[in-house]
Amino acid sequence: LAKTTQPISMDSYEGQEVNITCSHNNIATNDYITWYQQFPSQGPRFIIQGYKTKVTNEVASLFIPADRKSSTLSLPRVSLSDTAVYYCLVGDKAAGNKLTFGGGTRVLVKP
Amino acid sequence: GAVVSQHPSRVICKSGTSVKIECRSLDFQATTMFWYRQFPKQSLMLMATSNEGSKATYEQGVEKDKFLINHASLTLSTLTVTSAHPEDSSFYICSASPGEYNEQFFGPGTRLTVL
Repeated sequence: LAKTTQPISMDSYEGQEVNITCSHNNIATNDYITWYQQFPSQGPRFIIQGYKTKVTNEVASLFIPADRKSSTLSLPRVSLSDTAVYYCLVGDKAAGNKLTFGGGTRVLVKP
Repeated sequence: GAVVSQHPSRVICKSGTSVKIECRSLDFQATTMFWYRQFPKQSLMLMATSNEGSKATYEQGVEKDKFLINHASLTLSTLTVTSAHPEDSSFYICSASPGEYNEQFFGPGTRLTVL
């Protein structure tokens, strides 16, 4: 499974856009990129998933360059409730959906 | 989205006792479920893959005789921590997917405290 590298922490303010970049230099052809959000003492929650270019849903956008060696999760206009740990995962959907979590990025949104 | 539940949400037990944690997929069937453990301020660590009707597959370093997994049906997997010790105190989380090509849905987690 491809290894991922993310910043340990990021601070932001309410209303700002937060961009978290994840490096996955060894991503394989069949690998998808998935981001999860986790609040303290809760299970992770799926945010977004993509394979290439750009994916957008109601909560976030995911930007993936052509070489797919990195990806950027973009959270528009964050609020205090977006304070959480964000995990970037890379894996083959067909490989039993096995996920390997990296360290994650602890995002703190300040008022 | 699909819902995964866990029971209990919190358990405190004495050292040497066994504790069973249930993971249920409420609105979908899952042939495969996953069990994770998370220590404070750390990431999730995959412990094992639970397969319906067959033996679980354990990750390296996870003792299969200590962490018993039973995937009795397509909607239920159980993790039993046998002869628990204080170092087993952790947050245990399960996950499941409606299908091979779907994202995983995580349970709310179970906080185990061993005294």
